[in-house]
Amino acid sequence: KAGVTQTPRYLIKTRGQQVTLSCSPISGHRSVSWYQQTPGQGLQFLFEYFSETQRNKGNFPGRFSGRQFSNSRSEMNVSTLELGDSALYLCASSLAGWGPYEQYFGPGTRLTVT
Amino acid sequence: AQSVSQHNHHVILSEAASLELGCNYSYGGTVNLFWYVQYPGQHLQLLLKYFSGDPLVKGIKGFEAEFIKSKFSFNLRKPSVQWSDTAEYFCAVNEDNQGGKLIFGQGTELSVKP
Repeated sequence: KAGVTQTPRYLIKTRGQQVTLSCSPISGHRSVSWYQQTPGQGLQFLFEYFSETQRNKGNFPGRFSGRQFSNSRSEMNVSTLELGDSALYLCASSLAGWGPYEQYFGPGTRLTVT
Repeated sequence: AQSVSQHNHHVILSEAASLELGCNYSYGGTVNLFWYVQYPGQHLQLLLKYFSGDPLVKGIKGFEAEFIKSKFSFNLRKPSVQWSDTAEYFCAVNEDNQGGKLIFGQGTELSVKP
């Protein structure tokens, strides 16, 4: 099976712009989670989607949003970019709905805000 | 709020040395526990997981971890490291009623000298 794919892999944006990142989960996986990774804050949970519904949300401002489509693919959007949004954005997918399950991570999208 | 602490930021070992990386979490309820590894230039990969049952779990590449509930700990061990184990290691915790939300520790960078 193909792994989690994320596009684009690298992105450079200017402060104030908005950006959309895409994630395609492993085939058959219905849950997609997003994380932000920075040297200072480490890995932080953004949100999780399951069956097109946001199931959980981390402590990020409303500028960060996401959605999931009927084929389980997910996008996240960041509006009004700030310099501090520069980070590696990771997507993870998992098979199960509820109960303990393992997540599989994609390679990430490296976002640089100038 | 729940937090995860990894005691060592950077560990340097010689090949064949034994490894133990500490991980403690703050949540008192039912948790699912994970160790992920990020090799240079690669994406996060699952090393091992604990959901329930035997508190000593074995993962890939000879790694194991022990869940000690009374100490809120989930330490990672390997009896003999190899140069190829050079990577960053992340401990992660999932509360049983929080869907896919993972709380990560800050990570431990392991450097193994040949």
